[in-house]
Formats: sequence, C-alpha cells, structure tokens
Amino acid sequence: GENVEQHPSTLSVQEGDSAVIKCTYSDSASNYFPWYKQELGKGPQLIIDIRSNVGEKKDQRIAVTLNKTAKHFSLHITETQPEDSAVYFCAASRNNAGNMLTFGGGTRLMVKP
Amino acid sequence: DAGVIQSPRHEVTEMGQEVTLRCKPISGHDYLFWYRQTMMRGLELLIYFNNNVPIDDSGMPEDRFSAKMPNASFSTLKIQPSEPRDSAVYFCASSALAGGQETQYFGPGTRLLVL
Repeated sequence: GENVEQHPSTLSVQEGDSAVIKCTYSDSASNYFPWYKQELGKGPQLIIDIRSNVGEKKDQRIAVTLNKTAKHFSLHITETQPEDSAVYFCAASRNNAGNMLTFGGGTRLMVKP
Repeated sequence: DAGVIQSPRHEVTEMGQEVTLRCKPISGHDYLFWYRQTMMRGLELLIYFNNNVPIDDSGMPEDRFSAKMPNASFSTLKIQPSEPRDSAVYFCASSALAGGQETQYFGPGTRLLVL
C-alpha cells in the first residue's frame, strides 16, 4: 500500500519568514495530493491540493509543488503569520483506491511573532 | 451546509463500557471515513463506506470496534468493550467523487477518554 513520509515533524519560524514542509510517497500510481491544516481542538481542514497533471499550484501565500519522478511534494508558506501556527498534514491517493487518503505524520508549525 | 457533524464532542467512560460515536456526513457525499488520531500513531483510517456499504475495514483495530452506516446521512462507530488504549480523537470525514473531487471534509472530532 501507499506510504507517505513527512518532514520536519516540527518547524519554528519567525513571523514574515517562509516555511517549507516536504513529503515523499511510495505509490507511483498516486495522483492526488492534498494538504490539510489542523488547529488545536479542530478537525483537519483542506488548504490546498494538487493533481499529478500539474507541477505547481499557488493560492495567495501558500503554494504546493510536485515532482512525480522523485515522488515528492512540498508545501510552501510565504510571509508567515502567527495564525499559520498549526499542524499540517500531507496526503496522497489514487482514484482507483476508492477515494482513500494516506496521511503523512504531520508537521507542527510554530510562527513566532 | 453545516459540514460534517459529530456527536458527542467529548466522551469520558470507564473501561468495559460501550461507546457509540455518531456522524452525519455532508449531504450528497457518497463516501464516509472514520479516522482515529493519537500522538503516537497520527491519523489512522479505520474504515470507509461508499454508498453506505463498507469498502475497507482493514484499519479497524480489533473485533471490539464496529461501524455501521444505515443510511446516507448517518453512521456510527461503536467500541464494546472500551479499553484505556482506545483513548483518542475520532474523526469522521465525507467526500464525493463526482467530478473527480476527492476532497475529504472532516468533522470536529470526538475526544474519547477511557478510564
């Protein structure tokens, strides 16, 4: 089955700096890669996703890149703000897996004001 | 839409008791997922349904866990008997494959503590 590894497990940055979280996946058939943000006491919420037919996607301060050959994808947050502090999860799935996501272990991001 | 609804939000019970967690998916979604989250193991998929039918329950820890989806708007996850190691946050999520939209929408979770 699919295996998703995520690094780093914790990340501390100064407000205004950039943050990068990286994930690798094992199943070359995976074609959908969402990123979720989980705030304390809440469920994970989708913040951005990318499909295997594109290499990069951007939404305001967040962007995701995908390297299918190397089987890794990354989340980039620019101009970080204290409200970006949360746990971020990457995930991977393939359409014929019945919509099933495999999650990475999560990254706790702390943005210091 | 109100999003995925879970109840109760918090549950404290004693070892050996039966626990029932409830979930109402987003209307129109045909996939429903149950996850468990712990510090040690992260987010684990327990079971998922498609059109009310269980598709993959390989993540269910053991026979003490069972899940049902009697209709498109309701699902339960039952633990009987509960044990302290079942203490975790349990999430329900739903999604729809129509149009290739695999996005899973998570509920707020049920925080379970078994004493």
